[in-house]
Amino acid sequence: GIQVEQSPPDLILQEGANSTLRCNFSDSVNNLQWFHQNPWGQLINLFYIPSGTKQNGRLSATTVATERYSLLYISSSQTTDSGVYFCAVGPAGGYNKLIFGAGTRLAVHP
Amino acid sequence: EAGVTQFPSHSVIEKGQTVTLRCDPISGHDNLYWYRRVMGKEIKFLLHFVKESKQDESGMPNNRFLAERTGGTYSTLKVQPAELEDSGVYFCASSPPLGTQYFGPGTRLTVL
Repeated sequence: GIQVEQSPPDLILQEGANSTLRCNFSDSVNNLQWFHQNPWGQLINLFYIPSGTKQNGRLSATTVATERYSLLYISSSQTTDSGVYFCAVGPAGGYNKLIFGAGTRLAVHP
Repeated sequence: EAGVTQFPSHSVIEKGQTVTLRCDPISGHDNLYWYRRVMGKEIKFLLHFVKESKQDESGMPNNRFLAERTGGTYSTLKVQPAELEDSGVYFCASSPPLGTQYFGPGTRLTVL
């Protein structure tokens, strides 16, 4: 089945710094979502981005489907950005199920 | 618009007991999914309903797990009998035919 790899596994930042999280996947996809898991364990939708580029405030994401990767950019990080960021992909032809990566754990210190 | 809701938020049971988890999707979403994250592992797909029909149940771990979606609205996931390795967080998600899956807050299940 499709493999999803996220990097880095852990990231520590000072408040105000920028960061890039990466998601590589091993096969064609028809869905790609980025999530932020907050300290209460809730999965918050950030982007639905099977291809192209989107921006939402300090966050933006780019997926290059032909090269099988997606990037999540966080600019001017804040302590509230801390948590785990998950990339999840829907394999092409795999109905709608999402395959999750292991996540990137981000800690933003003041 | 109300999001996906799950009940209970936490459940603690003993090995061998039965537990039933409930998920209410976003109104109008025909697609409903169950996922789970057991300790130290990644979030894994369990199954997918389209209305009341099971579209894909390839992720169900064994026959101790039974999911239903009578009437195509809310869904239940029953674990009977529960084992220690079933402990984890069970997420429900819903979506329109194409597009974003919206996740509920999860049910944390602890089997003692």
